[in-house]
Amino acid sequence: KQEVTQIPAALSVPEGENLVLNCSFTDSAIYNLQWFRQDPGKGLTSLLLIQSSQREQTSGRLNASLDKSSGRSTLYIAASQPGDSATYLCAARGNQFYFGTGTSLTVIP
Amino acid sequence: DAGVIQSPRHEVTEMGQEVTLRCKPISGHDYLFWYRQTMMRGLELLIYFNNNVPIDDSGMPEDRFSAKMPNASFSTLKIQPSEPRDSAVYFCASSPGGARWGNSPLHFGNGTRLTVT
Repeated sequence: KQEVTQIPAALSVPEGENLVLNCSFTDSAIYNLQWFRQDPGKGLTSLLLIQSSQREQTSGRLNASLDKSSGRSTLYIAASQPGDSATYLCAARGNQFYFGTGTSLTVIP
Repeated sequence: DAGVIQSPRHEVTEMGQEVTLRCKPISGHDYLFWYRQTMMRGLELLIYFNNNVPIDDSGMPEDRFSAKMPNASFSTLKIQPSEPRDSAVYFCASSPGGARWGNSPLHFGNGTRLTVT
């Protein structure tokens, strides 16, 4: 069974810092990997999706990479802002979506 | 598109009562997923449907839980009887299938926060 792990579970950084969130998965037979953002009391919002044939995707200050062979994906956030504070989850898509437990990010003004 | 629509947003009920959660997926999406989220266990898949047919219900915790999808635009998750440990946020999500399976994202509703007292 696919297992998805996210490290660290929580991260606190000063505003303006660049940061990397990590996601690892045990089964490389995935169709895609998706990153989500969840604000407190809210649903999950899709940020980026990387297809299995791709290496990375970019959207604004966000860049996600995928290395299937090593079972890893990273989400890079450039020039962090207090508004980036949220929980970030990754999900690997096989016959269903397998979610990590998330990284809770706090950006300190 | 209005996105995935869930109702109600909040539900407070007493132990033993029946609870019905509702979901309208995005039009044209072949897959519908029901998740439960708690602080202790994170996001758990309860059941998912493909073209209105339940494919995997191994995540449904007990016989007290049941889900139906009578047509492509509506699904329900029912808990009968409800218990305090069922308190959680329940999310519905949908995704395209077929040739778009590999490159299509999962879209979530805003969830139903259930409190069983």
